[in-house]
Amino acid sequence: DAGVTQSPTHLIKTRGQQVTLRCSPISGHKSVSWYQQVLGQGPQFIFQYYEKEERGRGNFPDRFSARQFPNYSSELNVNALLLGDSALYLCASSFVGFDKNIQYFGAGTRLSVL
Amino acid sequence: QKEVEQNSGPLSVPEGAIASLNCTYSDRGSQSFFWYRQYSGKSPELIMSIYSNGDKEDGRFTAQLNKASQYVSLLIRDSQPSDSATYLCAVNLMNRDDKIIFGKGTRLHILP
Repeated sequence: DAGVTQSPTHLIKTRGQQVTLRCSPISGHKSVSWYQQVLGQGPQFIFQYYEKEERGRGNFPDRFSARQFPNYSSELNVNALLLGDSALYLCASSFVGFDKNIQYFGAGTRLSVL
Repeated sequence: QKEVEQNSGPLSVPEGAIASLNCTYSDRGSQSFFWYRQYSGKSPELIMSIYSNGDKEDGRFTAQLNKASQYVSLLIRDSQPSDSATYLCAVNLMNRDDKIIFGKGTRLHILP
């Protein structure tokens, strides 16, 4: 079975631009979470979606938004990019209620903002 | 007080020895605890999960949980150079949702 897939793997943007990152969960997983990881830090929670509803939001500005589609894939959008948005963006999926919500991560999208 | 705290390291351990990684958390309501391994430039990979007080063993890895003291640890026996990575402690609060709080990670270096 395919794991969590993310696209693209790398992105280079300039300040002020907008970016969309995509994630497909493991088959059967209905929950998708997004994390931002900057160098030397642990992943920071951005959003969690379950059954197409937002279930949790981390301490990120409104420039960050996300959605989940009927097939449980998800997109993360970031508007008005800042240099500080440069990071590895991780998507994780889980089967809520089973295996105590263990999250499985995709390979990530590395975003560089110039 | 940070929610999940780890010593950032680096922790250097000779090959074949036991590596001991520690983590403390602030919220007593936390119910699920995870250790992830992350190689440089890669995404986190689940090593162990633990939910009850005590020890849980899986191969060379043992997770230990003490909810009264609010700490969780990971022991790696017979350390191998391939174990050199950053180990992330993660905590899920009260199983209400999937939000997981990560520590900053401990860099482990196994000396050949």
